[in-house]
Amino acid sequence: TQLLEQSPQFLSIQEGENLTVYCNSSSVFSSLQWYRQEPGEGPVLLVTVVTGGEVKKLKRLTFQFGDARKDSSLHITAAQPGDTGLYLCAGAGGAQKLVFGQGTRLTINP
Amino acid sequence: GAGVSQTPSNKVTEKGKYVELRCDPISGHTALYWYRQSLGQGPEFLIYFQGTGAADDSGLPNDRFFAVRPEGSVSTLKIQRTERGDSAVYLCASSPMGGALAEQFFGPGTRLTVL
Repeated sequence: TQLLEQSPQFLSIQEGENLTVYCNSSSVFSSLQWYRQEPGEGPVLLVTVVTGGEVKKLKRLTFQFGDARKDSSLHITAAQPGDTGLYLCAGAGGAQKLVFGQGTRLTINP
Repeated sequence: GAGVSQTPSNKVTEKGKYVELRCDPISGHTALYWYRQSLGQGPEFLIYFQGTGAADDSGLPNDRFFAVRPEGSVSTLKIQRTERGDSAVYLCASSPMGGALAEQFFGPGTRLTVL
């Protein structure tokens, strides 16, 4: 069974600080995605990483896929209150379906 | 254009009752997915449709759960003899094509509460 473990599960920081969220597994994934989910809504895709060691940037967000394709990280620089939400990593668990981590609930305090 | 819509947004039922949850995918999307998200957890895969057929139903927890997509568009998730443990948010997602790399567009979910 493929599992994704996210850490930390909860993170509350002040506006302007930097943070990193981790997504780890003992299994190799062919690709990994990061989603953001707000209360009462479905997850929204932020990025897909495919190649081991790949780094993608989306404004103040930097995503990295581990060399062995078993782990990933999301780094946010100068966090803003609008970054508040549930961040989910998801790996391709087979040809068609996604396996999600349990999520990191991020709160940015003004 | 319109996104994925799900109805009802909230459903409260009693243990043992039958419920149907509806998903309207984005027009033209051939792939449709159902997930279940329990409180404090990430979404858990239930079933995947490509067109009208269930290509992967390995995530359905037991035979009380069933889903259909008769015309390759709207899908209905059916739960028989509901149990309190079925309480969760049921999410539907659609994608222009199948495959784990394709972006999935999620609906807002149906919050099911079984009393």
